[in-house]
Amino acid sequence: EAQVTQNPRYLITVTGKKLTVTCSQNMNHEYMSWYRQDPGLGLRQIYYSMNVEVTDKGDVPEGYKVSRKEKRNFPLILESPSPNQTSLYFCASSLSNPSYEQYFGPGTRLTVT
Amino acid sequence: SQQGEEDPQALSIQEGENATMNCSYKTSINNLQWYRQNSGRGLVHLILIRSNEREKHSGRLRVTLDTSKKSSSLLITASRAADTASYFCATDAEAPQGAQKLVFGQGTRLTINP
Repeated sequence: EAQVTQNPRYLITVTGKKLTVTCSQNMNHEYMSWYRQDPGLGLRQIYYSMNVEVTDKGDVPEGYKVSRKEKRNFPLILESPSPNQTSLYFCASSLSNPSYEQYFGPGTRLTVT
Repeated sequence: SQQGEEDPQALSIQEGENATMNCSYKTSINNLQWYRQNSGRGLVHLILIRSNEREKHSGRLRVTLDTSKKSSSLLITASRAADTASYFCATDAEAPQGAQKLVFGQGTRLTINP
């Protein structure tokens, strides 16, 4: 089954404790991206990757890092989480660029206290 | 910067009625896409319309695109309770090297009352 998986689905952590949210897709997609969703602000892109070892900042990259060492995986790293990063996070992938249909993961609800 | 903006922000109608949502954007695009999100879940792709298309249908969905006005509309006919969800438009900003970013609007919250 074609899918995008994210782990964990729910996470409560404390300020400053490094965490990684994993994202994996099994569709051999080249394009992957991370979004955060906040009430009243819609979805905002954090980082995106056009292919392996090619990543770039989205609209709200501050406080986040990503890597794309393999085509299928695109982890999101929060080196020192802060309460303003409490949000619902989505990973998405598409065939080659964002002009194609995006496949979204189920979301990760992160709370930073 | 915000590319797509939906209107209205919220819409409540009776089951069986038609629902229309609008999206406006600011720059030239390659494609415009519509997505649906059930509460707290991942977005699901509904339909994609290319910049050289004016109308597209998929089941009970009808999408129009007016590039001169930089706007699109999504019509859901004969609405059902299961259509209750948030609907988002998303646009890819046209670029010489190919689109690299997809920008979402803030969404329209649709409620279908039985």
